[in-house]
Amino acid sequence: LAKTTQPISMDSYEGQEVNITCSHNNIATNDYITWYQQFPSQGPRFIIQGYKTKVTNEVASLFIPADRKSSTLSLPRVSLSDTAVYYCLVGDIGTDKLIFGTGTRLQVFP
Amino acid sequence: GAGVSQSPSNKVTEKGKDVELRCDPISGHTALYWYRQRLGQGLEFLIYFQGNSAPDKSGLPSDRFSAERTGESVSTLTIQRTQQEDSAVYLCASSLAGILAKNIQYFGAGTRLSVL
Repeated sequence: LAKTTQPISMDSYEGQEVNITCSHNNIATNDYITWYQQFPSQGPRFIIQGYKTKVTNEVASLFIPADRKSSTLSLPRVSLSDTAVYYCLVGDIGTDKLIFGTGTRLQVFP
Repeated sequence: GAGVSQSPSNKVTEKGKDVELRCDPISGHTALYWYRQRLGQGLEFLIYFQGNSAPDKSGLPSDRFSAERTGESVSTLTIQRTQQEDSAVYLCASSLAGILAKNIQYFGAGTRLSVL
């Protein structure tokens, strides 16, 4: 089973932009890339998804290069409340399974 | 209901006992997923239901683990003869349709299982 890898942790300060990258070499050709956010003692919740190029919503942007083997979640001007673990989710072309990334723990400091 | 509901929220049991964890998905969601999350770790896929059928049971760690879904609604995850390594948070999610990352999963708050 292919791995979907992310940096283990990142630190930032309030007001800065944070970019979290997920590597997914075996991504299914017909499926989206979806990102989730998880706070302690809660289940993950949806942030954003896209298929290619760039997607933006009210909380984040998602950048996807043409080969789709990676994606970057961009959080503009983070606040303390953005401290959480972030996961990417993709389909695996070899197995047709969904694979969550290893997760990135973001810590935002005042 | 408004979201995915899991019960109990916490379960403490003795090694060797059986436990049942319940998940009530969002009404109308045909797909249902179970995950395990050990302390400080990522999401470990256990099983996926499409309707009442489980096309993918590959993540179940051992034959002590089983799950069923009835009425295309409630699902129960059963762990028999619990072991201390079963201690974890068990998360349930549901989505409108089946197994694509495109289909947004809505998660419950999880059941925290502690095996003494």
